[in-house]
Amino acid sequence: EAQVTQNPRYLITVTGKKLTVTCSQNMNHEYMSWYRQDPGLGLRQIYYSMNVEVTDKGDVPEGYKVSRKEKRNFPLILESPSPNQTSLYFCASSQGGAVGETQYFGPGTRLLVL
Amino acid sequence: LAKTTQPISMDSYEGQEVNITCSHNNIATNDYITWYQQFPSQGPRFIIQGYKTKVTNEVASLFIPADRKSSTLSLPRVSLSDTAVYYCLVVASAGNKLTFGGGTRVLVKP
Repeated sequence: EAQVTQNPRYLITVTGKKLTVTCSQNMNHEYMSWYRQDPGLGLRQIYYSMNVEVTDKGDVPEGYKVSRKEKRNFPLILESPSPNQTSLYFCASSQGGAVGETQYFGPGTRLLVL
Repeated sequence: LAKTTQPISMDSYEGQEVNITCSHNNIATNDYITWYQQFPSQGPRFIIQGYKTKVTNEVASLFIPADRKSSTLSLPRVSLSDTAVYYCLVVASAGNKLTFGGGTRVLVKP
C-alpha cells in the first residue's frame, strides 16, 4: 500500500531534550516536506527536499533541522525543543514538485513540549 | 505566492450540493488552483486541481472563470462523511512550496 508513515504518532517531551520525528514513504517520491499545524494558523511548511541531499527552508524553519540521506526517509530534528514547538506535524511527499503533483500526507505526529 | 480568501465555515445537509468559493486576486499566469480536504487529526488529502474553465473528477468539480481571480469547488450530494476542512491553494508551476490558508470548515448535517 502506498503510504507515508511517521513515528512517533504522539510525543511528550521536555524543553531542551533533542528529538527526531521520522518520516518514510514507499512511493519512490523525489519531493518530501514537513508542515506544522496550529489552531488559527493553518498548515505552515517547515522544510522541504527536492531530492537526496537537497533540502531547503520553508516558511517556518527556525528551531528545526532536516536531512535527506535516502530517498525514502526525511527525518525532522528538533535539537532543543521549546514549548512554542508544541504542534501537530505532518510529513508529505510527491513525485515531483508542488504543481501538478498530488501531495501525500502522513498521519501526523502530535508533539507536546513541556 | 497568491493569497487566497475563503469562507471560514459553511453548513449544509445531506444530499445537497456544497459550493465553496475561493478568491485569489493576485494569481499569476503560471499558477494552478488546488484543493485539499482534511479530516480531524488526519493529514490533508488532494481533491482536485485546475488551471482554467472546469475540471471534474469522481469527487468534485472545480470551476474557474476566465479571469482566474476566483474558483469554486463544488461537492455534489454531500454526505455526513464530507464534514471536513477544505483548503484552497494557489500553486506556482515552477514552485515547490504549498501555502495553506485557513480553510473552510464544512459541516454536513443529517
